[in-house]
Amino acid sequence: EPEVTQTPSHQVTQMGQEVILRCVPISNHLYFYWYRQILGQKVEFLVSFYNNEISEKSEIFDDQFSVERPDGSNFTLKIRSTKLEDSAMYFCASSPPLQPQHFGDGTRLSIL
Amino acid sequence: RKEVEQDPGPFNVPEGATVAFNCTYSNSASQSFFWYRQDCRKEPKLLMSVYSSGNEDGRFTAQLNRASQYISLLIRDSKLSDSATYLCVVTRPGSNYQLIWGAGTKLIIKP
Repeated sequence: EPEVTQTPSHQVTQMGQEVILRCVPISNHLYFYWYRQILGQKVEFLVSFYNNEISEKSEIFDDQFSVERPDGSNFTLKIRSTKLEDSAMYFCASSPPLQPQHFGDGTRLSIL
Repeated sequence: RKEVEQDPGPFNVPEGATVAFNCTYSNSASQSFFWYRQDCRKEPKLLMSVYSSGNEDGRFTAQLNRASQYISLLIRDSKLSDSATYLCVVTRPGSNYQLIWGAGTKLIIKP
């Protein structure tokens, strides 16, 4: 069964540094998403992406964040000037139009 | 009122028993509903979509009550492997993409 893959599985970064989290969505999916889950808390929507542009974003997704599809397979989330509170699991998901979303197994981001 | 509300549990249930969870949502305009399960420190995995007429997938049955704004999940003949956190998810009204997540109900199946 095709799956969403994410790298790295764990990223440790100094506060203030930039990180790029990578995702390879399922190949025939057109919609891509990023979510985060702070330890012990609920999953939170960050952004959705379709046709090479952001389609929706939440209040969390401020100027510190950006997404990109640099080639035909990768979908990245960049976090600039990381803060301690950015420590969380970051999940990428993809879906066909109006279909349930399928998740990668996440990147654990630890900001020191 | 929370957008999606669930009893956090944990529900401690003996193997083979039937267990049910409810979830309430605040916005009557929400259109799509799902149950995901999440194992500890793992990604959410889609369990099933929830349809207005109710739907069943093996031992799992989901129901939607739009009038009362709740959805339910029933698990029959529970297995040890059903131990997980069950997440109630609805789409944000007016959005095709934004999922609003409940905090989850923790289920522990005991032998």
